[in-house]
Amino acid sequence: ETGVTQSPTHLIKTRGQQVTLRCSSQSGHNTVSWYQQALGQGPQFIFQYYREEENGRGNFPPRFSGLQFPNYSSELNVNALELDDSALYLCASSRPQGMGYEQYFGPGTRLTVT
Amino acid sequence: DQQVKQNSPSLSVQEGRISILNCDYTNSMFDYFLWYKKYPAEGPTFLISISSIKDKNEDGRFTVFLNKSAKHLSLHIVPSQPGDSAVYFCAASAGTASKLTFGTGTRLQVTL
Repeated sequence: ETGVTQSPTHLIKTRGQQVTLRCSSQSGHNTVSWYQQALGQGPQFIFQYYREEENGRGNFPPRFSGLQFPNYSSELNVNALELDDSALYLCASSRPQGMGYEQYFGPGTRLTVT
Repeated sequence: DQQVKQNSPSLSVQEGRISILNCDYTNSMFDYFLWYKKYPAEGPTFLISISSIKDKNEDGRFTVFLNKSAKHLSLHIVPSQPGDSAVYFCAASAGTASKLTFGTGTRLQVTL
């Protein structure tokens, strides 16, 4: 069983640029959630995708957007990057609704904005 | 507001002894609680969970206790091993497949 994978591992961008992060969910999982983890903090929920639709959103501005594809993989897009967007971005996949609470995380993408 | 709190940023325990990590929450809608373990440069790894209808769940060396009236849960690791040294996050969920709300983590160091 393949776990959650994310790409790229590391990324350096300049303030004002745009970035796309990618995630492949674990086999059998159709729900993908994205989290931002700043240094010294716990992961913060950005949004969740289920059946290619956004299914819940945390307290993040609209310049954070996402997509989910028919194979359940997902992208996180961030426009107009700010210095505070520097963080570890984590993708997590979970089983279909009603089949469990556990979310399984990928290794993350470390984004640095300069 | 911080709905899930881990008030101890760090904990040091000798190998073979018990490690107790604590977590408090404020949201009464939370019905499922999870512990994750995180090594540097890796994503969080699911460790153990508990439903709000239970007060204890065991899995090998790991036991989670839930006290709903106090809105408190704890993770016990017995015996502690050096490989347990990591950051432990408490998380809570309201409904299946819902977002997880995390605490700020406790860094556990198991010494020889």
